[in-house]
Amino acid sequence: EIVLTQSPATLSLSPGERATLSCRASQSIINYLAWYQQKPGQAPRLLIYDASNRATGIPARFIGSGSGTDFTLTISSLEAEDFAVYYCQQRSNWPLTFGGGTKVEIK
Amino acid sequence: QVQLVESGGGVVQSGRSLRLSCAASGFTFSGYGMHWVRQAPGKGLEWVAVISNDGSSKNYVDAVKGRFTISRDISKTTLYLQMNSLRAEDTAVYYCTRTFTDWYFDLWGRGTLVTVSS
Repeated sequence: EIVLTQSPATLSLSPGERATLSCRASQSIINYLAWYQQKPGQAPRLLIYDASNRATGIPARFIGSGSGTDFTLTISSLEAEDFAVYYCQQRSNWPLTFGGGTKVEIK
Repeated sequence: QVQLVESGGGVVQSGRSLRLSCAASGFTFSGYGMHWVRQAPGKGLEWVAVISNDGSSKNYVDAVKGRFTISRDISKTTLYLQMNSLRAEDTAVYYCTRTFTDWYFDLWGRGTLVTVSS
């Protein structure tokens, strides 16, 4: 099973700041990685797929990068609605697995 | 309106069974693989099971193999998850999700809560 490790667990930032979230895979997953955003009481929402492609309707401030084992989600300038929990997910191997999440909270 | 609506959750005793349903609408159900993903209270996401668009292929996370069965009724545009021999660790919100680009999840239901009591 591929283990995804997200860091940091919590990121405390102010609106307008840049957020950098990390996801590290236990083995190479090429670029088969997605990022999801989840707000309290809501289902997750797909943001990025195949490491760097934005899903339909996702704003350009969400930027995915990386390949192999190291991936990054950057939110270039945080807006109020971006404070949430973010998960990465790999589709390289079965079972499909998620990282443990990074909570982006208001400082 | 493109949506997935789960039902069937509730409180059940350890060792008993429960069947979840997910009604799909607004898209061609038979054209998509479908999944169940769960989330224990206050925890992260765990993929549970997948079924191919025509129902011929299925896969499960090891933790539920032999206990859970995923199925679909294309005529009713409904996805199911039959859960047997339930354990406390199966307590979670269960989400129905649609496959996007083998195998991400681009459409999610609101989830249904399953609580297994001992």
